[in-house]
Amino acid sequence: DAKTTQPPSMDCAEGRAANLPCNHSTISGNEYVYWYRQIHSQGPQYIIHGLKNNETNEMASLIITEDRKSSTLILPHATLRDTAVYYCIVRVAYSGYALNFGKGTSLLVTP
Amino acid sequence: DTAVSQTPKYLVTQMGNDKSIKCEQNLGHDTMYWYKQDSKKFLKIMFSYNNKELIINETVPNRFSPKSPDKAHLNLHINSLELGDSAVYFCASSQVSSGAGHEQFFGPGTRLTVL
Repeated sequence: DAKTTQPPSMDCAEGRAANLPCNHSTISGNEYVYWYRQIHSQGPQYIIHGLKNNETNEMASLIITEDRKSSTLILPHATLRDTAVYYCIVRVAYSGYALNFGKGTSLLVTP
Repeated sequence: DTAVSQTPKYLVTQMGNDKSIKCEQNLGHDTMYWYKQDSKKFLKIMFSYNNKELIINETVPNRFSPKSPDKAHLNLHINSLELGDSAVYFCASSQVSSGAGHEQFFGPGTRLTVL
C-alpha cells in the first residue's frame, strides 16, 4: 500500500469548509484513496473513497488531483461534531482486506 | 439495530489472566477484523477472517487467538494477559466477495486495562 502524508492537526471555524489535504505521491494505478474518521473514543467511520474522479456523498467531497498524487477531503459546512481524527488511506481494493491507518489529521472545529 | 457490536465495552483484569472479547455483526458481511489501538492512538490490524478462514495474522503474540464460530462472529481470546496488552480493541466487518467491500464498519471498541 502507498504511503500517505497528512498534517498532524488543523483548525476550522464552525460553519466554514474544512479542507483536509493528503499526499500520496507513490500511489499506484489500481490503488484507491479512502478517508475514515475517528471521533473521540469511537470506532473509525468510513467517509468516502475514490479512484480517479472527484466524489461527493452526504458527508463530504473528495477531490483527487489529475496525477493522483494528492487529494483533499472537503467537509463543506463543518460542525462541532466533525471534530475528529481524519485518516487518509491508500490501498488496492480488497488487497489484504485490512486498512493501514497512519497518524491522521486531528481536526478541531471551533465555535 | 447495532451493525457491529462488541462485548464487553470495558474490561479490567489482572496480569496473567485469560479473557475474551466478543464481536458480532448483523450486516451479513463475509469478512471480519480485529484492530488494536494503543495508548499513542495508533490503530493497527491484528487479524482478518474471510468466511471463517484466517486471512491476515499480523505480528501478534500467539497468546492472542481469534475464533470465528460463524460468519457473524469473531471473538478474540487472550491468554496470560500482560501490561502491554492494555489498549482499545476494535472489531470491524466488510463485504468483500460481492465487490462492494470498500467500506469497513467498526464496532464501538473494547477498552482493556491490565493491572
